[in-house]
Amino acid sequence: AQKVTQAQTEISVVEKEDVTLDCVYETRDTTYYLFWYKQPPSGELVFLIRRNSFDEQNEISGRYSWNFQKSTSSFNFTITASQVVDSAVYFCALSALNSGGYQKVTFGIGTKLQVIP
Amino acid sequence: DADVTQTPRNRITKTGKRIMLECSQTKGHDRMYWYRQDPGLGLRLIYYSFDVKDINKGEISDGYSVSRQAQAKFSLSLESAIPNQTALYFCATSDEPGQSGYTFGSGTRLTVV
Repeated sequence: AQKVTQAQTEISVVEKEDVTLDCVYETRDTTYYLFWYKQPPSGELVFLIRRNSFDEQNEISGRYSWNFQKSTSSFNFTITASQVVDSAVYFCALSALNSGGYQKVTFGIGTKLQVIP
Repeated sequence: DADVTQTPRNRITKTGKRIMLECSQTKGHDRMYWYRQDPGLGLRLIYYSFDVKDINKGEISDGYSVSRQAQAKFSLSLESAIPNQTALYFCATSDEPGQSGYTFGSGTRLTVV
């Protein structure tokens, strides 16, 4: 079984503050992918990043950065100098490789981020 | 054109009615999925299909059925809609064998009254 926990259901920050969204995952499989998706108020789901279980290098893309730590089963997402356009629901997700292949992606319940101007 | 197109975008239907949500994709992927999104519950998998002849139940398939009419088309049906099926429904597609992430449709907001 695979599980993704996003303990923060809602976060509010003031514009230009940094914010970290937490994601903890569970899987018995040793090969897996982790993802982050963004859902802005318009409702669509936008793919942000994929990370495989053998690559623990942190990644930075502009104001976004991701910290993957297998030792704590976490894949946290930090937004630096937040902007109003970052206001959205963010989903962390997991897909593990098992005897059936990569069958499906399991999502966390999402963290709603509100950036206040 | 969008990579994944869902129709309709919004729908209000009455309890007991049959309704079909349609999804088509131009990515050329074999795998297609239907999820529903509810506040506080995230996205939950309803059905998924790895090719035209392979259809699998997800975690919440009761009350739903699907049809994979072609590689590019995957429709979701509610045989007899009930109010707790009011939700935002997403279709997605992905490649294989690895997971490069889903490409989602824009969603269908369904309200059952």
